[in-house]
Amino acid sequence: SQQGEEDPQALSIQEGENATMNCSYKTSINNLQWYRQNSGRGLVHLILIRSNEREKHSGRLRVTLDTSKKSSSLLITASRAADTASYFCATVDRGNTPLVFGKGTRLSVIA
Amino acid sequence: DARVTQTPRDKVTEMGQEVTMRCQPILGHNTVFWYRQTMMQGLELLAYFRNRAPLDDSGMPKDRFSAEMPDATLATLKIQPSEPRDSAVYFCASALLGFTSSYNEQFFGPGTRLTVL
Repeated sequence: SQQGEEDPQALSIQEGENATMNCSYKTSINNLQWYRQNSGRGLVHLILIRSNEREKHSGRLRVTLDTSKKSSSLLITASRAADTASYFCATVDRGNTPLVFGKGTRLSVIA
Repeated sequence: DARVTQTPRDKVTEMGQEVTMRCQPILGHNTVFWYRQTMMQGLELLAYFRNRAPLDDSGMPKDRFSAEMPDATLATLKIQPSEPRDSAVYFCASALLGFTSSYNEQFFGPGTRLTVL
Protein backbone atom coordinates (compact mmCIF):
# COMPACT_ATOMS: atom_id res chain seq x y z
CA SER A 1 0.00 0.00 0.00
CA GLN A 2 1.09 3.54 -0.48
CA GLN A 3 0.92 6.53 1.77
CA GLY A 4 0.29 10.14 0.91
CA GLU A 5 2.79 12.52 2.44
CA GLU A 6 1.70 16.04 3.23
CA ASP A 7 3.91 19.08 3.12
CA PRO A 8 4.45 21.21 5.13
CA GLN A 9 4.00 19.43 8.44
CA ALA A 10 2.79 22.66 10.01
CA LEU A 11 1.59 25.98 8.61
CA SER A 12 0.67 29.18 10.42
CA ILE A 13 -1.07 32.04 8.61
CA GLN A 14 -3.14 35.13 9.32
CA GLU A 15 -6.87 35.14 8.87
CA GLY A 16 -7.80 36.15 5.34
CA GLU A 17 -4.66 34.70 3.78
CA ASN A 18 -4.63 31.66 1.53
CA ALA A 19 -3.27 28.34 2.76
CA THR A 20 -1.70 25.80 0.44
CA MET A 21 -0.90 22.23 1.43
CA ASN A 22 0.74 19.64 -0.75
CA CYS A 23 0.53 15.89 -0.94
CA SER A 24 2.83 13.46 -2.72
CA TYR A 25 2.30 9.76 -3.29
CA LYS A 26 4.19 6.92 -4.88
CA THR A 27 2.06 4.73 -7.14
CA SER A 28 -0.83 5.01 -9.58
CA ILE A 29 -4.08 6.01 -7.98
CA ASN A 30 -7.80 5.66 -8.57
CA ASN A 31 -8.61 8.76 -6.56
CA LEU A 32 -7.17 11.09 -3.94
CA GLN A 33 -9.14 12.54 -1.05
CA TRP A 34 -8.60 15.33 1.43
CA TYR A 35 -9.89 15.22 4.99
CA ARG A 36 -9.90 17.67 7.88
CA GLN A 37 -9.51 16.79 11.54
CA ASN A 38 -10.30 19.24 14.28
CA SER A 39 -8.58 18.68 17.61
CA GLY A 40 -10.12 15.76 19.48
CA ARG A 41 -12.47 14.85 16.65
CA GLY A 42 -12.75 12.34 13.85
CA LEU A 43 -11.81 13.08 10.27
CA VAL A 44 -14.25 14.83 7.98
CA HIS A 45 -14.21 14.32 4.22
CA LEU A 46 -13.60 17.52 2.26
CA ILE A 47 -13.17 16.65 -1.38
CA LEU A 48 -12.35 13.78 -3.73
CA ILE A 49 -10.51 14.10 -7.02
CA ARG A 50 -10.31 11.22 -9.49
CA SER A 51 -7.21 10.31 -11.45
CA ASN A 52 -8.70 11.67 -14.69
CA GLU A 53 -9.45 15.06 -13.14
CA ARG A 54 -6.99 17.91 -12.82
CA GLU A 55 -8.81 20.41 -10.66
CA LYS A 56 -11.83 20.52 -8.43
CA HIS A 57 -13.53 23.22 -6.38
CA SER A 58 -15.76 23.16 -3.35
CA GLY A 59 -16.58 26.48 -1.74
CA ARG A 60 -13.28 28.01 -0.60
CA LEU A 61 -11.40 24.81 -1.36
CA ARG A 62 -9.49 24.16 -4.56
CA VAL A 63 -7.75 20.85 -5.17
CA THR A 64 -5.39 20.11 -8.01
CA LEU A 65 -3.97 16.80 -9.10
CA ASP A 66 -0.89 16.17 -11.20
CA THR A 67 -0.62 12.46 -11.86
CA SER A 68 2.64 12.88 -13.79
CA LYS A 69 4.25 14.29 -10.66
CA LYS A 70 2.20 12.14 -8.34
CA SER A 71 1.17 15.16 -6.33
CA SER A 72 -1.88 17.10 -5.23
CA SER A 73 -2.42 20.43 -3.58
CA LEU A 74 -5.20 21.77 -1.41
CA LEU A 75 -5.76 25.52 -1.43
CA ILE A 76 -7.98 27.17 1.16
CA THR A 77 -8.77 30.72 0.15
CA ALA A 78 -9.59 33.57 2.54
CA SER A 79 -8.82 31.44 5.56
CA ARG A 80 -10.73 31.76 8.80
CA ALA A 81 -9.85 30.91 12.38
CA ALA A 82 -12.33 28.03 12.11
CA ASP A 83 -10.11 26.45 9.42
CA THR A 84 -7.54 25.67 12.11
CA ALA A 85 -7.20 21.90 11.97
CA SER A 86 -5.06 19.09 10.61
CA TYR A 87 -5.50 18.26 6.95
CA PHE A 88 -4.82 14.82 5.54
CA CYS A 89 -4.60 13.47 2.05
CA ALA A 90 -5.47 9.85 1.38
CA THR A 91 -5.17 7.75 -1.73
CA VAL A 92 -7.02 4.81 -3.23
CA ASP A 93 -4.73 2.94 -5.57
CA ARG A 94 -5.54 1.20 -8.85
CA GLY A 95 -6.01 -2.06 -7.03
CA ASN A 96 -8.79 -0.35 -5.08
CA THR A 97 -6.99 -0.70 -1.79
CA PRO A 98 -8.76 1.42 0.81
CA LEU A 99 -7.56 4.80 1.91
CA VAL A 100 -4.02 5.15 3.19
CA PHE A 101 -3.50 8.39 5.04
CA GLY A 102 -0.48 10.63 5.38
CA LYS A 103 0.50 12.23 8.69
CA GLY A 104 -1.19 15.49 7.89
CA THR A 105 -0.51 19.21 7.82
CA ARG A 106 -1.36 21.16 10.98
CA LEU A 107 -2.84 24.47 9.92
CA SER A 108 -3.15 27.34 12.37
CA VAL A 109 -5.11 30.39 11.28
CA ILE A 110 -4.50 33.34 13.56
CA ALA A 111 -7.26 35.91 13.96
CA ASP B 1 -28.58 13.32 11.27
CA ALA B 2 -26.73 10.11 10.44
CA ARG B 3 -23.37 9.65 12.08
CA VAL B 4 -20.96 6.97 13.23
CA THR B 5 -20.97 6.47 16.99
CA GLN B 6 -18.24 4.96 19.11
CA THR B 7 -18.14 3.88 22.73
CA PRO B 8 -16.49 4.46 25.07
CA ARG B 9 -15.09 7.88 24.21
CA ASP B 10 -12.31 7.52 26.74
CA LYS B 11 -10.87 4.42 28.35
CA VAL B 12 -8.10 4.17 30.92
CA THR B 13 -7.01 0.70 31.84
CA GLU B 14 -4.09 -1.18 33.25
CA MET B 15 -1.69 -3.31 31.31
CA GLY B 16 -2.97 -6.83 30.84
CA GLN B 17 -6.64 -5.92 30.94
CA GLU B 18 -9.06 -6.63 28.13
CA VAL B 19 -10.40 -3.64 26.22
CA THR B 20 -13.44 -3.68 23.96
CA MET B 21 -14.33 -0.75 21.72
CA ARG B 22 -17.64 -0.54 19.92
CA CYS B 23 -18.78 1.19 16.80
CA GLN B 24 -22.20 1.73 15.27
CA PRO B 25 -21.82 2.52 11.56
CA ILE B 26 -24.24 4.69 9.65
CA LEU B 27 -27.38 2.72 8.87
CA GLY B 28 -27.17 1.27 5.38
CA HIS B 29 -23.40 1.54 5.06
CA ASN B 30 -21.83 -1.75 4.05
CA THR B 31 -18.16 -1.16 4.80
CA VAL B 32 -16.59 -0.52 8.19
CA PHE B 33 -13.00 0.44 8.93
CA TRP B 34 -10.95 0.51 12.11
CA TYR B 35 -8.03 2.95 12.37
CA ARG B 36 -5.51 3.76 15.07
CA GLN B 37 -3.99 7.22 15.37
CA THR B 38 -0.81 8.12 17.24
CA MET B 39 1.53 11.07 16.98
CA MET B 40 4.39 8.86 15.84
CA GLN B 41 2.64 6.64 13.29
CA GLY B 42 -0.21 8.84 12.18
CA LEU B 43 -3.41 7.14 11.06
CA GLU B 44 -3.04 3.40 10.51
CA LEU B 45 -5.66 1.11 9.00
CA LEU B 46 -6.10 -1.89 11.28
CA ALA B 47 -8.93 -3.82 9.62
CA TYR B 48 -12.01 -3.44 7.48
CA PHE B 49 -15.22 -5.30 6.80
CA ARG B 50 -17.56 -5.38 3.86
CA ASN B 51 -21.07 -6.66 4.35
CA ARG B 52 -19.85 -7.84 7.79
CA ALA B 53 -17.14 -10.07 6.30
CA PRO B 54 -13.54 -9.26 7.19
CA LEU B 55 -11.65 -8.22 4.06
CA ASP B 56 -8.28 -7.33 5.49
CA ASP B 57 -6.88 -7.25 8.99
CA SER B 58 -3.22 -7.28 8.04
CA GLY B 59 -2.66 -3.98 9.83
CA MET B 60 -3.64 -5.48 13.15
CA PRO B 61 -1.36 -7.29 15.63
CA LYS B 62 -3.01 -10.72 15.47
CA ASP B 63 -1.83 -12.04 18.77
CA ARG B 64 -3.76 -9.52 20.85
CA PHE B 65 -6.21 -7.69 18.59
CA SER B 66 -9.45 -9.00 17.16
CA ALA B 67 -12.18 -7.30 15.16
CA GLU B 68 -15.70 -8.55 14.52
CA MET B 69 -19.06 -7.46 13.19
CA PRO B 70 -21.69 -9.49 15.04
CA ASP B 71 -24.39 -7.68 13.08
CA ALA B 72 -24.76 -4.86 10.60
CA THR B 73 -25.21 -2.27 13.35
CA LEU B 74 -22.23 -3.18 15.52
CA ALA B 75 -18.51 -3.52 14.98
CA THR B 76 -16.13 -4.35 17.82
CA LEU B 77 -12.39 -4.09 18.30
CA LYS B 78 -10.94 -6.02 21.17
CA ILE B 79 -7.47 -5.96 22.69
CA GLN B 80 -6.48 -8.77 25.02
CA PRO B 81 -4.17 -8.35 26.82
CA SER B 82 -3.63 -4.62 26.46
CA GLU B 83 -0.16 -3.06 26.60
CA PRO B 84 1.03 0.53 27.12
CA ARG B 85 2.06 0.73 23.44
CA ASP B 86 -1.62 0.27 22.49
CA SER B 87 -2.36 3.74 23.88
CA ALA B 88 -3.82 5.70 20.97
CA VAL B 89 -7.06 7.04 19.56
CA TYR B 90 -9.03 4.36 17.76
CA PHE B 91 -11.40 5.48 15.02
CA CYS B 92 -14.16 3.64 13.30
CA ALA B 93 -15.35 4.78 9.88
CA SER B 94 -18.09 3.57 7.59
CA ALA B 95 -18.84 3.93 3.89
CA LEU B 96 -21.35 2.81 1.31
CA LEU B 97 -19.68 1.05 -1.58
CA GLY B 98 -21.12 -0.73 -4.60
CA PHE B 99 -19.40 -3.77 -6.06
CA THR B 100 -17.84 -1.75 -8.84
CA SER B 101 -17.18 1.42 -6.88
CA SER B 102 -13.82 2.50 -5.70
CA TYR B 103 -13.49 3.65 -2.14
CA ASN B 104 -15.06 7.05 -1.84
CA GLU B 105 -16.06 9.14 1.14
CA GLN B 106 -15.61 7.62 4.58
CA PHE B 107 -17.54 8.87 7.59
CA PHE B 108 -15.55 8.81 10.80
CA GLY B 109 -16.72 8.39 14.36
CA PRO B 110 -15.42 10.61 17.18
CA GLY B 111 -12.88 8.02 18.30
CA THR B 112 -12.04 6.15 21.49
CA ARG B 113 -9.03 7.53 23.36
CA LEU B 114 -7.34 4.54 24.98
CA THR B 115 -4.71 4.90 27.69
CA VAL B 116 -3.02 1.75 28.95
CA LEU B 117 -1.03 2.29 32.15
